[in-house]
Amino acid sequence: KQEVTQIPAALSVPEGENLVLNCSFTDSAIYNLQWFRQDPGKGLTSLLLIQSSQREQTSGRLNASLDKSSGRSTLYIAASQPGDSATYLCAVRYGNKLVFGAGTILRVKS
Amino acid sequence: DTGVSQDPRHKITKRGQNVTFRCDPISEHNRLYWYRQTLGQGPEFLTYFQNEAQLEKSRLLSDRFSAERPKGSFSTLEIQRTEQGDSAMYLCASSFSFGSGANVLTFGAGSRLTVL
Repeated sequence: KQEVTQIPAALSVPEGENLVLNCSFTDSAIYNLQWFRQDPGKGLTSLLLIQSSQREQTSGRLNASLDKSSGRSTLYIAASQPGDSATYLCAVRYGNKLVFGAGTILRVKS
Repeated sequence: DTGVSQDPRHKITKRGQNVTFRCDPISEHNRLYWYRQTLGQGPEFLTYFQNEAQLEKSRLLSDRFSAERPKGSFSTLEIQRTEQGDSAMYLCASSFSFGSGANVLTFGAGSRLTVL
């Protein structure tokens, strides 16, 4: 069964801290992996997409890595800000569908 | 084009009633997806269309659920004889898929269903 797990389920940090969100997946036959952000009651915003042949992607203060052989991805957020507070979802693409983790709820305190 | 639009944003209904959600994708996108998200969980795949053809359906999509994309543009998701367990956020996404391209999905804001 294709499962995606995210750790921690929730995280609270002071403003300015660097932080790492973790994602693991059981089936390594992935097409790609995406990280999304979801604000309360809203849809999903794509942050980064890593193809299965890639090791990492960077966008601004965000860096995502992928280790397909071990079934893991991390999302690194540098110099966190209160505006980063949201739920972060990891999604693995298998065939034509995305399998999502349950998300990490991030709160950045000012 | 302002992205993927979903309507209504929130629907409250009584158990046993039928409800229909509409999704208008980004105009040049040939793929359209429906996902369901319950509180505290990630979205779960329901079905997807390539143009007007429904190519894959999840086992989550019981016979009370039907989705259409009649002209390869907008899509509707209908739930018949709603149950309290159907309460969830229904998310629509679209993408342009060609060959082995990245197929990045753009999600709408969702339609929240509450079944009383």
